[in-house]
Amino acid sequence: AQKITQTQPGMFVQEKEAVTLDCTYDTSDQSYGLFWYKQPSSGEMIFLIYQGSYDEQNATEGRYSLNFQKARKSANLVISASQLGDSAMYFCAMREGLGGGSYIPTFGRGTSLIVHP
Amino acid sequence: DGGITQSPKYLFRKEGQNVTLSCEQNLNHDAMYWYRQDPGQGLRLIYYSQIVNDFQKGDIAEGYSVSREKKESFPLTVTSAQKNPTAFYLCASSLRTPGYTIYFGEGSWLTVV
Repeated sequence: AQKITQTQPGMFVQEKEAVTLDCTYDTSDQSYGLFWYKQPSSGEMIFLIYQGSYDEQNATEGRYSLNFQKARKSANLVISASQLGDSAMYFCAMREGLGGGSYIPTFGRGTSLIVHP
Repeated sequence: DGGITQSPKYLFRKEGQNVTLSCEQNLNHDAMYWYRQDPGQGLRLIYYSQIVNDFQKGDIAEGYSVSREKKESFPLTVTSAQKNPTAFYLCASSLRTPGYTIYFGEGSWLTVV
């Protein structure tokens, strides 16, 4: 079974509008971390935002916010006021404990976001 | 500046050859990882290492080998046993806590010719 599921292979948004990228996860751990990364066409992986499983508040970083719904095991990324430079692949990732202090990062298949002018 | 350095950026390999991708970090991270990414796909874990002189297979370890003789270095060898090696390879490192960010190198493009 997939640990991280991103159901939207591709998304289109108009410049200056908000967009939500979906991510659901599967874990039986109580302590885990959720991450979003941006991958432009150059290939580098850029860290965007982090949410801890014990965090009460949704994480925010500038135009990025993470809509964390623990009971639904959902960690959606919201990008407000989209810009042309936001066009990229976006990956949701999770670190969960596997025992012995191992927190192996696993990634979803990604969502391709295209921002139209 | 601290970071992860991968080399080479682009590599061409003839069939039947082994090639080694370098990954060096100066972030003092214990954990290091190798991922493979195929076009339009997510990241799949090849190998990971939590401490020096120890490493574990990931989901797609067949045809690959690694070593971790130093904390800073985690080279990946793509052997001739790997049937479809053409891909983008990403090295990453982190501290061994769930809340710590995973840092990536810039990646290496491997093409079999």
